Amino acid sequence: QVQLQESGPGLVKPSETLSLTCTISGGSISSYYWNWIRQPPGKGLEWIGYIFYSGNTKHNPSLKSRVTISLDTSKNQFSLKLGSVTAADTAVYYCARDDGTSGNNAFDIWGQGTMVTVSS
Amino acid sequence: DIQMTQSPSSLSASVGDRVTITCQASQDINNYLNWYQQKPGKAPKLLIYGASNLETGVPSRFSGSGSGTDFTFTISSLQPEDIATYYCQQYEKLPYTFGQGTNLDIK
Repeated sequence: QVQLQESGPGLVKPSETLSLTCTISGGSISSYYWNWIRQPPGKGLEWIGYIFYSGNTKHNPSLKSRVTISLDTSKNQFSLKLGSVTAADTAVYYCARDDGTSGNNAFDIWGQGTMVTVSS
Repeated sequence: DIQMTQSPSSLSASVGDRVTITCQASQDINNYLNWYQQKPGKAPKLLIYGASNLETGVPSRFSGSGSGTDFTFTISSLQPEDIATYYCQQYEKLPYTFGQGTNLDIK
């Protein structure tokens, strides 16, 4: 079955760029929305943004223009870059699939999550 | 942004109890609401989509209802493995937003 796996540095310095990759196994990157969601320690969930398999992207305006989401169909991967990070960006970052093609947008498959700490 | 307000924030119940969590949206979201279960240290798991549709493989003791601004999530007979935090999430409008979560434990 389809599985997602996040990868990337666990520690990022303030003002630098957080970079994460989600690798999709057991299925195709086509026909879905691919999302990033984060969860600060002990807190709730925040949607960061998505990329559609066509390349169309949307992101949470609360993150202003710091977010870039991209796709590499040849590697069955999608990526997140979050610039100018601060301690407030410390969180577990999840990648998740949304099968919006069915008419219902729901995060039906999630990666296990990766903890990213912003600290000098 | 659409604000999602869950209540209660925490809940203790006994095995076999019927448990109900509510979620209120700050504006009409039709039935564009999902429910997730998150156990400690794990990713959330989709339980209910479209307000009332049970995700494949999810036990039938879980159910959801509602439309517009008011929604309900119910566990008909609480089991020990249901101890988790539950979140509602709207997808009527971007950005997608989640409720603050309801922590459920065993009394």
